[in-house]
Amino acid sequence: AQKITQTQPGMFVQEKEAVTLDCTYDTSDQSYGLFWYKQPSSGEMIFLIYQGSYDEQNATEGRYSLNFQKARKSANLVISASQLGDSAMYFCAMREANAGNNRKLIWGLGTSLAVNP
Amino acid sequence: DGGITQSPKYLFRKEGQNVTLSCEQNLNHDAMYWYRQDPGQGLRLIYYSQIVNDFQKGDIAEGYSVSREKKESFPLTVTSAQKNPTAFYLCASSYVLSYNSPLHFGNGTRLTVT
Repeated sequence: AQKITQTQPGMFVQEKEAVTLDCTYDTSDQSYGLFWYKQPSSGEMIFLIYQGSYDEQNATEGRYSLNFQKARKSANLVISASQLGDSAMYFCAMREANAGNNRKLIWGLGTSLAVNP
Repeated sequence: DGGITQSPKYLFRKEGQNVTLSCEQNLNHDAMYWYRQDPGQGLRLIYYSQIVNDFQKGDIAEGYSVSREKKESFPLTVTSAQKNPTAFYLCASSYVLSYNSPLHFGNGTRLTVT
């Protein structure tokens, strides 16, 4: 079963508008971490934001914020005031505390975001 | 600036040849990882290392080998036994091997085997 689901293969947004990229996850662990990464066409994987399962506040990093709804197992990325440079693939990932699984990130298939001028 | 350096950016090899991808980090991270990325499949873990002189197989280790002789370095060898080696390879590191420790990635190496 898919542990990380990103239901939007592609998204478009106008420059300066906000956009939400969806991510739902599945885990039976109480302790886990959720991550968002950005991958531009050049290929590097850039860490954007982290949310821990016990964090009560939604994580924020500059123009990025994470809308964390634990009961719904949802961890959506919100990008405010989109810029042309935000055009990229965005990946949601999870890491579980379970000793057998904490070694790796479990990845979604990504959402391709295009920012229109 | 601290970071992870992968080299080369592009690599071309003939079938049957082994090839080694370099990964160096100056973040003073204990844990290092190798991932493979194929179109439409997301990232898959090849090998990881929690500390120097220790490494473990990931989900798709067959046909690959690694070493971790220094904290800063985690080279990956793609052997001739790897059936489909053409892919984008990403090296990463994290402060520790823990669920709340973000991975930081290098720029990747695109390997093409013909």
